[in-house]
Amino acid sequence: AQSVTQPDIHITVSEGASLELRCNYSYGATPYLFWYVQSPGQGLQLLLKYFSGDTLVQGIKGFEAEFKRSQSSFNLRKPSVHWSDAAEYFCAVVERGFQKLVFGTGTRLLVSP
Amino acid sequence: DSGVTQTPKHLITATGQRVTLRCSPRSGDLSVYWYQQSLDQGLQFLIQYYNGEERAKGNILERFSAQQFPDLHSELNLSSLELGDSALYFCASSASSTGPPSYEQYFGPGTRLTVT
Repeated sequence: AQSVTQPDIHITVSEGASLELRCNYSYGATPYLFWYVQSPGQGLQLLLKYFSGDTLVQGIKGFEAEFKRSQSSFNLRKPSVHWSDAAEYFCAVVERGFQKLVFGTGTRLLVSP
Repeated sequence: DSGVTQTPKHLITATGQRVTLRCSPRSGDLSVYWYQQSLDQGLQFLIQYYNGEERAKGNILERFSAQQFPDLHSELNLSSLELGDSALYFCASSASSTGPPSYEQYFGPGTRLTVT
C-alpha cells in the first residue's frame, strides 16, 4: 500500500547538536517530496521540496534533505540545532499525476539545553 | 506569513450544529485544499478546488461540503457535528494562474474546531 512513514514519534537533541529526521515512502514511482514544520499553535510551513535533479536539497532555516532512491528515503538534516527548532516535522508526498499531499505521522523534535 | 488566511481562528460549538470555515488563498493561487488534523487520524486531505471546480476528494464525510467562489475564496461547511469532528482544519493554496503547475502548497494558520 502507498504510504509515508516517519519511524520516530519523538526525538530529543541537544542544542548545537546535529539532527536527522527519517522519512520513507512506498510508491510505485518516485513522488514529489516535501518537509513541513509545524510550531505549537501554528500552521504548516514548507521547509523544502524535491521534484527531480540534485538529490541534496537546501531549504529554509538551515535545513537540508537528501533523496535516496535506493532506500525510498528523504531524510531531513540540520548540522546544528537551535532551541527555536523545537516543533513537529512532517514528511509529505504528492503522487505524480495528483496534487493532494499525503503526510507522514510527524516527528516531534525536542531541543534540550 | 504564508499569505493564506483562515477565519475564524477558533470555533466552539455543540453537537448537531453546523459551522462554516473560510479560507482566502494566496494572491493569484487558483487551487484551494482543505485538510483535517486530529490526534487519531493525523493530517488528512479532505477536498481540493481549482478555479471554482471540485478537483479531488479525499476522506471527506458526507456531512461536510465545500465550495470555491468566483473571487477564489473557499468555504468548508461542516454539519450535524459530532464530538469526533473536533480538529484543526487547514486550508492550503497553490497553482498560480501563470506558469506551470505547482505542487507546493502553502498553508493557512488553521481553524481549531471544538465540538462539545
